[in-house]
Amino acid sequence: AQSVTQPDIHITVSEGASLELRCNYSYGATPYLFWYVQSPGQGLQLLLKYFSGDTLVQGIKGFEAEFKRSQSSFNLRKPSVHWSDAAEYFCAVYTGGFKTIFGAGTRLFVKA
Amino acid sequence: KAGVTQTPRYLIKTRGQQVTLSCSPISGHRSVSWYQQTPGQGLQFLFEYFSETQRNKGNFPGRFSGRQFSNSRSEMNVSTLELGDSALYLCASSLVVRGQGLGGYTFGSGTRLTVV
Repeated sequence: AQSVTQPDIHITVSEGASLELRCNYSYGATPYLFWYVQSPGQGLQLLLKYFSGDTLVQGIKGFEAEFKRSQSSFNLRKPSVHWSDAAEYFCAVYTGGFKTIFGAGTRLFVKA
Repeated sequence: KAGVTQTPRYLIKTRGQQVTLSCSPISGHRSVSWYQQTPGQGLQFLFEYFSETQRNKGNFPGRFSGRQFSNSRSEMNVSTLELGDSALYLCASSLVVRGQGLGGYTFGSGTRLTVV
């Protein structure tokens, strides 16, 4: 079955520290992968997407993600976290059939 | 350009009533998808529309329905509301490339529905 797993419900990092949010997917074909961010009370904003080609993709707000087919992973990273990055992050996979499924989300807390 | 607009932002309804939510996609985006977001279930896919046709539907009861108009605006309707329908309803629009919505979504801010 197609699925997206984000193993960490929440993560706390200190401001200025590096960040990695994990995402694993289950999908038989070549995946189309996305990361979104959601601030409280708002909709989701697209951070970055992977369709093909270079497995390291750059996104907005200084985020990047690496696609690893052998591990079925698409982890999100940022070298230095800012307090404004505190939000909930969702990994998603387009499954075909005009449908995208989302992981449960990881809430990021940033310590001053 | 204007983003995805959802109206209303907040809504309180009584059990048994029905509700209609509206979504105006980004200009040029012809695909509109709807999601229900709750703390317990996360983001659940409701349905997707393109060219006024529903192309896929999630695992929701028939009380949940939608439609899309010729200008790509979309509405979703929930009839006979239940307490469990309380949620944030998100609309997302996307470009359609070669018949598939691969551009990623642009989301609206959602409609917060509370059923009492």
